[in-house]
Amino acid sequence: AQSVAQPEDQVNVAEGNPLTVKCTYSVSGNPYLFWYVQYPNRGLQFLLKYITGDNLVKGSYGFEAEFNKSQTSFHLKKPSALVSDSALYFCAVRLGNTGGFKTIFGAGTRLFVKA
Amino acid sequence: EAGVTQSPTHLIKTRGQQATLRCSPISGHTSVYWYQQALGLGLQFLLWYDEGEERNRGNFPPRFSGRQFPNYSSELNVNALELEDSALYLCASLPAGLAGGSSYNEQFFGPGTRLTVL
Repeated sequence: AQSVAQPEDQVNVAEGNPLTVKCTYSVSGNPYLFWYVQYPNRGLQFLLKYITGDNLVKGSYGFEAEFNKSQTSFHLKKPSALVSDSALYFCAVRLGNTGGFKTIFGAGTRLFVKA
Repeated sequence: EAGVTQSPTHLIKTRGQQATLRCSPISGHTSVYWYQQALGLGLQFLLWYDEGEERNRGNFPPRFSGRQFPNYSSELNVNALELEDSALYLCASLPAGLAGGSSYNEQFFGPGTRLTVL
């Protein structure tokens, strides 16, 4: 079955420290991978995506993610966390034609950045 | 450029009633996706509309239905409401559907409709 796993319900980090939010996936074929962020009472906002090419993808607000095909992972990272980064983060994989163009989302990881 | 809009913001219904939720995609976007975000369950795919037709649906009962209008706006209907239907319903649009680009384009989400079933 095709799936996305975010193994941590919550990640706590101090402001200024690096942060990592983990994501692993299980899909057939080449994955199209996305990260979205959700602030309270808001819809999801796109952060970054991996389609092809360089394994390190840079996105909005200083976030980046590394695609690792052998480990089927797409971890989200930021070198220096800000309190304003506190939010709910979703990893997602987008299926192509054979998957009905569905997007499968992980369960989400809540990030808390302490001042 | 206006983003994806959804109405109403909040909706309170009682069990057995029907709910209608509305979504207007970004201008020029033809694909609309609906998701249910129940507490602690992440986003569950509900329905996908493109060019006025239902293209795919998630693992939800038939009482969840909808349609897409000629202007690409969309409506989600939930009949015979149950308590567990209480959730945030999110709509997302994409710039292209079957015509191409739908796999690698990011989705643009609306703010959601909070449905509460009492």
